[in-house]
Amino acid sequence: ILNVEQSPQSLHVQEGDSTNFTCSFPSSNFYALHWYRWETAKSPEALFVMTLNGDEKKKGQISATLNTKEGYSYLYIKGSQPEDSATYLCASSGYSSASKIIFGSGTRLSIRP
Amino acid sequence: DVKVTQSSRYLVKRTGEKVFLECVQDMDHENMFWYRQDPGLGLRLIYFSYDVKMKEKGDIPEGYSVSREKKERFSLILESASTNQTSMYLCASSSLIEGGPSSTDTQYFGPGTRLTVL
Repeated sequence: ILNVEQSPQSLHVQEGDSTNFTCSFPSSNFYALHWYRWETAKSPEALFVMTLNGDEKKKGQISATLNTKEGYSYLYIKGSQPEDSATYLCASSGYSSASKIIFGSGTRLSIRP
Repeated sequence: DVKVTQSSRYLVKRTGEKVFLECVQDMDHENMFWYRQDPGLGLRLIYFSYDVKMKEKGDIPEGYSVSREKKERFSLILESASTNQTSMYLCASSSLIEGGPSSTDTQYFGPGTRLTVL
């Protein structure tokens, strides 16, 4: 994988349901994996930064896991609420100082009340 | 809280015009970035800066230039706007970790400028 890929591109979920989506990233030269939430008309906001294989981070009902050997991360939302509607971006960064953060195209999540 | 502001939320310009997009951050961050975001594509890095008067090209610098005269301000310049530069432009900043630019730094984003070039 040369780019950061996210799937699905969009997701519609009933309020109260749990959901998850995927970020795939280059596993060579990996340094950190970032998740951001981008609500409409607002700035993207950092959710998590993970660096170690097996890392798991949690913020309220949102959690994320990291597998650096196979190059993927999952974001889970338990009991979705309308305010969770947003685009979720993941980004990968590498070791060298010349590395830049590479963003995926995002998963657009809509929660139906 | 970090605050990153951008000069305009919406901007409409004509082909050939020179366009300035301004970004200001209030947390004394060393690193600043300009991205554009287009439907179906991720945030693509245009230019970034690790220090005053220092700039480096990102992945899509063609048609753009930047200026960083003061630490808190990073400007994106479209020398001669074209219709394919119609996009959402996002500015971000992050702090510098000892040892050089660190790619684990969380980036703090501005609200974006939606630029339309007619």
